[in-house]
Amino acid sequence: KQEVTQIPAALSVPEGENLVLNCSFTDSAIYNLQWFRQDPGKGLTSLLLIQSSQREQTSGRLNASLDKSSGRSTLYIAASQPGDSATYLCAVFKAAGNKLTFGGGTRVLVKP
Amino acid sequence: DTEVTQTPKHLVMGMTNKKSLKCEQHMGHRAMYWYKQKAKKPPELMFVYSYEKLSINESVPSRFSPECPNSSLLNLHLHALQPEDSALYLCASSPSMTPSRTSGRTDTQYFGPGTRLTVL
Repeated sequence: KQEVTQIPAALSVPEGENLVLNCSFTDSAIYNLQWFRQDPGKGLTSLLLIQSSQREQTSGRLNASLDKSSGRSTLYIAASQPGDSATYLCAVFKAAGNKLTFGGGTRVLVKP
Repeated sequence: DTEVTQTPKHLVMGMTNKKSLKCEQHMGHRAMYWYKQKAKKPPELMFVYSYEKLSINESVPSRFSPECPNSSLLNLHLHALQPEDSALYLCASSPSMTPSRTSGRTDTQYFGPGTRLTVL
């Protein structure tokens, strides 16, 4: 059974500091890994999708890496802003079952 | 248009009521999903429809009944719910639920804003 873990569960940083969010998964047989953002009481917004054949994806201040062999992904957010405050969820789309399995999320607070 | 819409935004119902949640997308996606999300927990998959046919049912109680009338619409019919069913119900869609046979690439899922359900 695929398990996805995100550490830390919560993170508070001053504005301008770089954010590093970690995600680990137990089964390397995945099609892709995705990072989502969720604001309180809202739906999920896809940030980055890394195919299983890729090692990283970048979009603006966001960069995500994927190491399938070690079952890890890291989301970097450069020069954080108060608007980055949200919960960040990673999810793996696994080969067996054709479904997304989510980690527990990291709640981020960027203080002005 | 990359939007998934859900109605209603909020729903309060009694345990004897029958209600429905609606989800709509006009992106031509052929896979649609229902998730349940409790407070401070990640979304949990409930159902997946692929080409308007139920493909995955994650052992969801029968008081939740999904329906896919056409390729753009997904409903979730609710009957005799319990207070513990109170949660945020999220709908999502994607071009396909399986990787492309030619490229092997997979697609992201686009999520709606959710329906906040409270069962009294």
